[in-house]
Amino acid sequence: GQQVMQIPQYQHVQEGEDFTTYCNSSTTLSNIQWYKQRPGGHPVFLIQLVKSGEVKKQKRLTFQFGEAKKNSSLHITATQTTDVGTYFCAGNSGGSNYKLTFGKGTLLTVNP
Amino acid sequence: GAGVSQSPSNKVTEKGKDVELRCDPISGHTALYWYRQSLGQGLEFLIYFQGNSAPDKSGLPSDRFSAERTGGSVSTLTIQRTQQEDSAVYLCASSSTHVRAYGYTFGSGTRLTVV
Repeated sequence: GQQVMQIPQYQHVQEGEDFTTYCNSSTTLSNIQWYKQRPGGHPVFLIQLVKSGEVKKQKRLTFQFGEAKKNSSLHITATQTTDVGTYFCAGNSGGSNYKLTFGKGTLLTVNP
Repeated sequence: GAGVSQSPSNKVTEKGKDVELRCDPISGHTALYWYRQSLGQGLEFLIYFQGNSAPDKSGLPSDRFSAERTGGSVSTLTIQRTQQEDSAVYLCASSSTHVRAYGYTFGSGTRLTVV
């Protein structure tokens, strides 16, 4: 079945440094979504990417979808302590299937 | 409702007892999902409902686990003869037909502890 791999598993940065997490799918995706889970919280939807090579920005966050639609990345510029949490990517294979396959997530910690 | 509601928020049960976890999705959301998250781990898919039917039950770990959804709304996840390895946070999510625009909306989860 479809597998979504995410690296790194953990990332610790100093406040102000940049951060990137990478997501790779074993199959071509129809779309990919990103979620953030704060410590003790539940995952919250951030964004969806649909088109090959798509890039979207949300303030300091930049999301990319690969040309082959099998990989994606989330980059945070100048991290802040509020960025702490686990970032999950989740892929969908399309059609009428709404099911997402989640990566294992990257836990980001930020040292103030 | 405004969000996905799960109850109870915490449940401590003795090994061997049965437990029922409840999920009340966002009104009008046709799809409902159950995931399990162990401490510090990712999201383990359990089951997916489209309306009242479950086209994908592939993630249920054993026959001790079952789930149903009635009226296209509330869902219950039942774990029979609980084991210590069942301890985890059980997350429910729902989505509309516009899942690709708005993603899943997760509930706050039920933290299950089997002692």
